[in-house]
Amino acid sequence: GENVEQHPSTLSVQEGDSAVIKCTYSDSASNYFPWYKQELGKRPQLIIDIRSNVGEKKDQRIAVTLNKTAKHFSLHITETQPEDSAVYFCAASKRKNKLSFGAGTTVTVRA
Amino acid sequence: DGGITQSPKYLFRKEGQNVTLSCEQNLNHDAMYWYRQDPGQGLRLIYYSQIVNDFQKGDIAEGYSVSREKKESFPLTVTSAQKNPTAFYLCASSTFSGVLNTEAFFGQGTRLTVV
Repeated sequence: GENVEQHPSTLSVQEGDSAVIKCTYSDSASNYFPWYKQELGKRPQLIIDIRSNVGEKKDQRIAVTLNKTAKHFSLHITETQPEDSAVYFCAASKRKNKLSFGAGTTVTVRA
Repeated sequence: DGGITQSPKYLFRKEGQNVTLSCEQNLNHDAMYWYRQDPGQGLRLIYYSQIVNDFQKGDIAEGYSVSREKKESFPLTVTSAQKNPTAFYLCASSTFSGVLNTEAFFGQGTRLTVV
C-alpha cells in the first residue's frame, strides 16, 4: 500500500517567519494530496489540497507544491501567526478516497 | 446544521468487553471511514465503506468490525480481540464520484480507554 513519510515531526518558528513541512509518497499512481490541520482537542480539517495535474496551489498564506517525479509535496505557511499552531497532516490517495496519512507535524509559533 | 457526529466523546471499557462507537452524518455522503490516531503515528485506516451494505478492510482492521446498514450511519465495534484498543478514533465521510477524490470531513472523535 501507499507509504507517506512526513518531516519534521516538530517545528518551532518565530511569529512572522515561514514554516515548511515536507512529505514523500511511495505510490506513483497517487493523484490527490490533501493537507489537514488539527488544533488541540479538535477534529482534523482540510486546509488545502492539490491534484497530480497541478504543480502548485496557493490560498492566502498557505501554499502547496507537488513534484511528481520525485514523489514529494510540501506545505508552505508564510507570515506565521499564533493561530497557526497545530498538528498538520499530509495525505496521499490514488483511488476511492482511501487516504494514507503522514505521521503529523506539530507546529508551534512563538510570539 | 449539517455535519458528522461521533458519540460518545469519551469511552471507558473493561478488558474483554466489546464496545461500539457511533458515527452519524447528515451530509448525504456515500463514503465513510474509520481512522485510529495514536501519538506520533498519524491516522491509520481501520475500515471504509463506499456504499450502503458494503465495506472494506483498511490497514489495521484486525480486532474491529463495522456495519453499513444505512447511508447515514457507520458504527465501529472494538472487539476483545483488539490487543491495544486504547486510542483516539476518528470517523470521516466524503462524497464519492468514482473518479475524483474529494475532501473528507471528520467527526470530533471518540477517545477510548481500556481500564
